Amino acid sequence: EAGVAQSPRYKIIEKRQSVAFWCNPISGHATLYWYQQILGQGPKLLIQFQNNGVVDDSQLPKDRFSAERLKGVDSTLKIQPAKLEDSAVYLCASSSRTSGRLDEQFFGPGTRLTVL
Amino acid sequence: AQSVTQLGSHVSVSEGALVLLRCNYSSSVPPYLFWYVQYPNQGLQLLLKYTSAATLVKGINGFEAEFKKSETSFHLTKPSAHMSDAAEYFCAVSPNSGAAGNKLTFGGGTRVLVKP
Repeated sequence: EAGVAQSPRYKIIEKRQSVAFWCNPISGHATLYWYQQILGQGPKLLIQFQNNGVVDDSQLPKDRFSAERLKGVDSTLKIQPAKLEDSAVYLCASSSRTSGRLDEQFFGPGTRLTVL
Repeated sequence: AQSVTQLGSHVSVSEGALVLLRCNYSSSVPPYLFWYVQYPNQGLQLLLKYTSAATLVKGINGFEAEFKKSETSFHLTKPSAHMSDAAEYFCAVSPNSGAAGNKLTFGGGTRVLVKP
């Protein structure tokens, strides 16, 4: 079974530029998550989708970050414009989210963003 | 709000020695608890999870953790460290009910160095 795929793996941009990350979850997984992991810290949830609807985006900086999950499969996370403090690894995860049962989240390898 | 504290950002152990990583949580009700491992340039992999069944949980790669409600702790141990255990370890907490049941809050992580 293929895991969670993310691209690109690395991205270097200058501040005020825009950037987009792509995630393809495990086939059949209804729930998709985007996390931000700043160097030396644990991952922080940015947004959670259930199929193509947003469940939780309370920690997403909506003035510059946006995410979508059209058709309930792939997802993109965009930053526009980027700031220096956005330098981090952006992790995508998915889970099958069977109703009433706690499901394991499977993580992709992440995209390492450096903002200069 | 739930939170997780990992004591010690770095731990150094000798090969064959006991590995002990400390995790304390803050929650109004007993939550679900997890330990994840992250190898360099990779995503997170689930080691084990506590979901209110047995308080001593066994995971992969010889790791285990014990849930102690009175101490609000979920420390991770492995009797004998192997060089391949060198990685970063994250403790995480999730609410044990409701739509937010899959929302993970991570600790800051503990990096383990294994000396030959």
